[in-house]
Amino acid sequence: GENVEQHPSTLSVQEGDSAVIKCTYSDSASNYFPWYKQELGKRPQLIIDIRSNVGEKKDQRIAVTLNKTAKHFSLHITETQPEDSAVYFCAPQGVSARQLTFGSGTQLTVLP
Amino acid sequence: EPEVTQTPSHQVTQMGQEVILRCVPISNHLYFYWYRQILGQKVEFLVSFYNNEISEKSEIFDDQFSVERPDGSNFTLKIRSTKLEDSAMYFCASTGADTQYFGPGTRLTVL
Repeated sequence: GENVEQHPSTLSVQEGDSAVIKCTYSDSASNYFPWYKQELGKRPQLIIDIRSNVGEKKDQRIAVTLNKTAKHFSLHITETQPEDSAVYFCAPQGVSARQLTFGSGTQLTVLP
Repeated sequence: EPEVTQTPSHQVTQMGQEVILRCVPISNHLYFYWYRQILGQKVEFLVSFYNNEISEKSEIFDDQFSVERPDGSNFTLKIRSTKLEDSAMYFCASTGADTQYFGPGTRLTVL
């Protein structure tokens, strides 16, 4: 099965700074790479995703980059705001197994 | 915007009792999933369902678990004899292609 590692486990940044979270995966057949944001007691919510035929995708302050050769993808948040504080999960999806395999999560805290 | 819904939001049960968690996926989606999240931990895959049958299941999804799509809208997860370690948040998700949309979850507490 897919092995997913996510780093760091906690990240504190000052408001306005950038945050980067990295995810490595083991299944070279994985072809869909989403990032989810989860606030306390809430459902995971998709914030950005990328497919294997694309190297980078950006949506306003959020971007995802994918390196298929090295089998890792990263979440970049620029100009962080206090409401970005949450747990972020990567969850790569394979071709044969359509389920998501979640990373262990990163607790992001944006300090005002 | 359509959403996945789940009921109940919180279920408290005694160890050994049966529970049924209910989900209504987004109407035109074809793939359905159950995940669980123990407090403070990551989200774990339980089972996927497509074309009225299980397509994948994890090691967690043992004989105590079953899923059913009893009609055209509901998707249920049954735990036959609950254990203390089944206490967790259970999320239903559905997808039409790649993106999985999650329901709000059912918090299951086993006493």
